[in-house]
Amino acid sequence: QITLKESGPALVEPTQTLTLTCTFSGFSLNTPGVGVGWIRQPPGKALESLALIYWDDDKRYGPSLGGRVSITKDTSNNQVVLTLTNTGPVDTATYYCARSTYGYIYDSWGHGALVAVSS
Amino acid sequence: SSELTQDPAVSVALGQTVIITCQGDGLRSHYPGWYQQRPGQSPVLVVYGNNIRPSGTPDRFSGSSYGNRASLTITGAQAEDEADYYCNCRGGSDNHHVFGTGTKVTVL
Repeated sequence: QITLKESGPALVEPTQTLTLTCTFSGFSLNTPGVGVGWIRQPPGKALESLALIYWDDDKRYGPSLGGRVSITKDTSNNQVVLTLTNTGPVDTATYYCARSTYGYIYDSWGHGALVAVSS
Repeated sequence: SSELTQDPAVSVALGQTVIITCQGDGLRSHYPGWYQQRPGQSPVLVVYGNNIRPSGTPDRFSGSSYGNRASLTITGAQAEDEADYYCNCRGGSDNHHVFGTGTKVTVL
């Protein structure tokens, strides 16, 4: 059974750095073709791709974040970490991590973590 | 452009057919994924590739692509199909992927 779980702060102050951890089980990030990505969804809005890291450490970043985001993996602990710097109210969203196969197809998702950016 | 455009909302009578469309340049070269998101829940993959359904997706869901457009068809819509639907595909200069703008499907 494949599971993914997002963890991190529920509240972040503006300008601070947001760090979220995805802990997964039921698959390995050493398997060719597999990746783990982060996707967010502001309240009442559409999904937005943030970052995706593949088994070979190839990384892809969404077009809208202007270099504020980074993604790393800890294969031995089955974790993927997302870092978002210089946060603002526009970063308030539910953040999902998901397993990627076939390059960009997300076939398993976590339940999501709601993060509010506010003072 | 790396964007994927979808109609904001469509409605369908119970048991009838509804087509959800997705348009964008990335679709000329890559098949999309289609995701269903019910209120308060995480997205679920329902169709990907050349009309491939993951296990658990009812066969009333089907996908097709032509040129820069892709479609998700629900044949014989059920009440439980009422949800938001998103496409995603490769796009952008760094070959990252993007999600569509989303379509809200209402079953009448």
